[in-house]
Amino acid sequence: DGGITQSPKYLFRKEGQNVTLSCEQNLNHDAMYWYRQDPGQGLRLIYYSQIVNDFQKGDIAEGYSVSREKKESFPLTVTSAQKNPTAFYLCASTPMGGGYTFGSGTRLTVV
Amino acid sequence: KQEVTQIPAALSVPEGENLVLNCSFTDSAIYNLQWFRQDPGKGLTSLLLIQSSQREQTSGRLNASLDKSSGRSTLYIAASQPGDSATYLCAVRPMDTGANSKLTFGKGITLSVRP
Repeated sequence: DGGITQSPKYLFRKEGQNVTLSCEQNLNHDAMYWYRQDPGQGLRLIYYSQIVNDFQKGDIAEGYSVSREKKESFPLTVTSAQKNPTAFYLCASTPMGGGYTFGSGTRLTVV
Repeated sequence: KQEVTQIPAALSVPEGENLVLNCSFTDSAIYNLQWFRQDPGKGLTSLLLIQSSQREQTSGRLNASLDKSSGRSTLYIAASQPGDSATYLCAVRPMDTGANSKLTFGKGITLSVRP
């Protein structure tokens, strides 16, 4: 079955450490997105990519970085510059003009 | 800037009741509107997608309507069941930034269906 796979499901980060969240899709979708979800704040867009080798900052890109070397993959790195990284991270993809499909999320906790 | 509002933030109903969840948006120039369901600790599951040229979409006990001119969408759930308990989010995609543009989400309505 086609879908989006996010890994790991749970991730723990130490102070000053960079961590990378994986997002892979086999839906042949053009665009991919990363959202952050915090209680009471709804979903906020971090980065998005409409084609391979191109991506744009969303509303809260500071402290995050991405790459889009393959159509299927859109990894998100949470750098040490992100001072409050504890959150639920969701990856999504869309075909041209279609609806969004989301992954099951990664819960990141700072320890 | 597009704003999406979902009121109330939480709703509790007895099993079997038909219910309507509301979503309003400030800019009527939308490409499409999508309703999602989210269970605690899980990702978002797409329920219904309504393109801007459509008035409604149906899937099983769910029916979503769209009135662009008034900036409103409703999600109708027939004969609610405890398994419908979840958070329901609506999201709109703007017209002016292309077919792959980003969504604006409401904050969601947390529904509890009591047995």
